[in-house]
Amino acid sequence: KAGVTQTPRYLIKTRGQQVTLSCSPISGHRSVSWYQQTPGQGLQFLFEYFSETQRNKGNFPGRFSGRQFSNSRSEMNVSTLELGDSALYLCASAPLGGGYGYTFGSGTRLTVV
Amino acid sequence: KNEVEQSPQNLTAQEGEFITINCSYSVGISALHWLQQHPGGGIVSLFMLSSGKKKHGRLIATINIQEKHSSLHITASHPRDSAVYICAVGEGNQFYFGTGTSLTVIP
Repeated sequence: KAGVTQTPRYLIKTRGQQVTLSCSPISGHRSVSWYQQTPGQGLQFLFEYFSETQRNKGNFPGRFSGRQFSNSRSEMNVSTLELGDSALYLCASAPLGGGYGYTFGSGTRLTVV
Repeated sequence: KNEVEQSPQNLTAQEGEFITINCSYSVGISALHWLQQHPGGGIVSLFMLSSGKKKHGRLIATINIQEKHSSLHITASHPRDSAVYICAVGEGNQFYFGTGTSLTVIP
């Protein structure tokens, strides 16, 4: 079966712009969670969506937002980009969440210049 | 204090050596994952554990819930095992990640 698909794979944006990243989960998975990975902070949890509702949110500013559609596809948006937002953004899908059965996508590498 | 602590941070081994990576956590747990990340970024989930031991090929993962500790073992290590190994603890709908162990296996 198809895995978790993240698009685009690479992205370069200018400081102050906004960006939208997309994650298509494995068919049947209803939980999608997002993570940021930077060399200094490692992997950090951004937020988790289940059935179009945000269930949990990490400690990130309001510039980071997301949503989930009825087909479980999810988008993450970052507004007013800062240089420090340069990172690998990963999403993972799971049937129900709760720590079980997560499959990770390959990530979107965002560079802010 | 980090919710998930991994050791060692870096590890270099000769091909064929037995490798152990350790993970200790302080949060409640619904499941613990061992992840592998190769250069380039993609993450692969190797194991998901909530108790006991799992084996897949040359990889073995164990977890001790009482001691809040898990280990990942690689038997007969190979250069293609060179990667970053990350311990991730799922508490409810949130994950906490270790900082990763960078493994280099030398031929």
